[in-house]
Amino acid sequence: EIVLTQSPGTLSLSPGERATLSCRASQSVSSSYLAWYQQKPGQAPRLLIYGASSRATGIPDRFSGSGSGTDFTLTISRLEPEDFAVYYCQQSGSFGQGTKVEI
Amino acid sequence: QVQLVQSGSELKKPGASVKVSCKASGYIFTSYAINWVRQAPGQGLEWMGWINTNTGNPTYVQGFTGRFVFSLDSSVSTAYLQISSLKAEDTAVYYCAREDWSDPWGQGTLVTVSS
Repeated sequence: EIVLTQSPGTLSLSPGERATLSCRASQSVSSSYLAWYQQKPGQAPRLLIYGASSRATGIPDRFSGSGSGTDFTLTISRLEPEDFAVYYCQQSGSFGQGTKVEI
Repeated sequence: QVQLVQSGSELKKPGASVKVSCKASGYIFTSYAINWVRQAPGQGLEWMGWINTNTGNPTYVQGFTGRFVFSLDSSVSTAYLQISSLKAEDTAVYYCAREDWSDPWGQGTLVTVSS
């Protein structure tokens, strides 16, 4: 079973700053099945990135994904107020534990 | 447009059963499997497994075998999650999502287990 470990657990930043979120897999995984989600309180998760680096429909270009093998990164280039949320990575169904991006 | 609409919140006593529905529209139901995801209060997302909407064959992730059953009624484009012998730790929001994990997911169904 592949375990995804996200870091940090909480990221405290200000609007306009850059956010860098990490997702590390316990063994090498296919980039094709690596996705990132955003979840706000009381809402269902929203797909941001699939295939490690492809933005889902309607996702602003300030969100970008990169990585391969065991190490993947979600970058938010300039945080907007609506970006403060919890972010999850996912590999073939299984999720990481999440990173909270807070003001 | 694609929609997954889930049934409403449920309050159940320990030992009871619950059945959550997920009605699909806006696409051909049998073209995509349906995933189920659990989120306990204040916790992360747990993938429970999925059901093949062509064959009705379910696949359960470790930890979700035995008391959890996925089923379909393709005539009404609906997938179901049934949980039996409910425990307090089953209290959670349950989401359905399409095979490709694309938006939108179902809106979530809160199942509360309390005496």
